[in-house]
Amino acid sequence: GDSVTQMEGPVTLSEEAFLTINCTYTATGYPSLFWYVQYPGEGLQLLLKATKADDKGSNKGFEATYRKETTSFHLEKGSVQVSDSAVYFCALSLIQGAQKLVFGQGTRLTINP
Amino acid sequence: GAGVSQTPSNKVTEKGKYVELRCDPISGHTALYWYRQSLGQGPEFLIYFQGTGAADDSGLPNDRFFAVRPEGSVSTLKIQRTERGDSAVYLCASSWERNTEAFFGQGTRLTVV
Repeated sequence: GDSVTQMEGPVTLSEEAFLTINCTYTATGYPSLFWYVQYPGEGLQLLLKATKADDKGSNKGFEATYRKETTSFHLEKGSVQVSDSAVYFCALSLIQGAQKLVFGQGTRLTINP
Repeated sequence: GAGVSQTPSNKVTEKGKYVELRCDPISGHTALYWYRQSLGQGPEFLIYFQGTGAADDSGLPNDRFFAVRPEGSVSTLKIQRTERGDSAVYLCASSWERNTEAFFGQGTRLTVV
């Protein structure tokens, strides 16, 4: 079945470090790909998305590129801040126009000052 | 404006009891989604509504689970004969139309004792 595999956490970095959270997927069709973030005490929020191969999603300094050849959508940020501490979820959707999402297990990120 | 509201925020119930979880979507949102998130896992899709009708209920685990959205706004997730394995955070999300970002509520934490 369709699935998403994320880098296991927790991940702890110092402020201004470079961040990569790996995400790979398995899908029977041609999915849209998403990164969601959950800050402490808040609901899930869409961070960025990409809907076709080689698209790059970006938001708040985070980027991820849809790589069909490696079935990956790795999340990167050049210089993390303490406020980036959160749980990050990679997800896919195979239904055009619907948010029927398949999520990875989440990666908890902690940034120390 | 108000986001997606879920009530109650926490619910503790005894095994075998019936529970109802409520979701108030953002006003005007036509699509509504229910997900379940077990501890340490990503959310799992349960059901989604387009208007009043369930467009896809393929994620409901068994016939103890049922959801309604009678007027195309508020939705209720109903669980009969609760089991300890039903303990999880139940998330609701809504979106304007099928092809837009879904906004998540903070969830209802259900504990079956």
